[in-house]
Amino acid sequence: QSVLTQPPSASGTPGQRVTISCSGSSSNIGTNYIYWYQHFPGTAPKLLIYVNNQRPSGVPDRFSGSKSGTSASLAISGLRSEDEADYFCAAWDAGLSQWVFGGGTKVTVL
Amino acid sequence: LQLQESGPGLVKPSETLSLTCTVSGASVGSGDCYWGWLRQSPGKGLEWIATVSCIGTTYYNPSLRSRVTVSVDTSNNHVSLKMKFVVAADTAVYFCARLDTGYGTSWFESWGQGSLVSVSS
Repeated sequence: QSVLTQPPSASGTPGQRVTISCSGSSSNIGTNYIYWYQHFPGTAPKLLIYVNNQRPSGVPDRFSGSKSGTSASLAISGLRSEDEADYFCAAWDAGLSQWVFGGGTKVTVL
Repeated sequence: LQLQESGPGLVKPSETLSLTCTVSGASVGSGDCYWGWLRQSPGKGLEWIATVSCIGTTYYNPSLRSRVTVSVDTSNNHVSLKMKFVVAADTAVYFCARLDTGYGTSWFESWGQGSLVSVSS
């Protein structure tokens, strides 16, 4: 029942490119920035992408973000075993007056 | 910067949940500072609870506003969350986070590892 829609899972072999989608509406992704986080259960979520496509210092350039209309994507290129984690998107929703999140995508490295 | 949530792991229905986020490596009362609380219920996605600025301005999730209070304690360098009249559906991992600002907006930049709170009699 998350406001932002993500596929529950994605997978790839080492070195491949994996893309995770995040679908929303005009009141969230359509008009506001999108953010992406990496989360290993039991640890603190880590900011990967802010304001659609900016990487904080220390985040490898293998991670990239994009946005088009009411959808956004996170791409992981050169997939590595340590990328196996949960990834979720976030955006402010002007209609709901709250932050909204995707349900998370579990990335598996085959 | 490190954030550490703490509080009772078990709260009885109808009682008040109280959590503290202890901040190290930064002062909760200085700079362009905003702090947030979020939660993740078992098997569900994340939910934003509230945001508080270092001067005490608060922003609440409309669905939780009537039961939640957040505040900043500059003397102890921590951020607090109180949620009253809890029910089983409030069982979740509760996260505190520091928000960064720029581009005319803010976002959750650093997070704690979370604190599991169960509501049960």
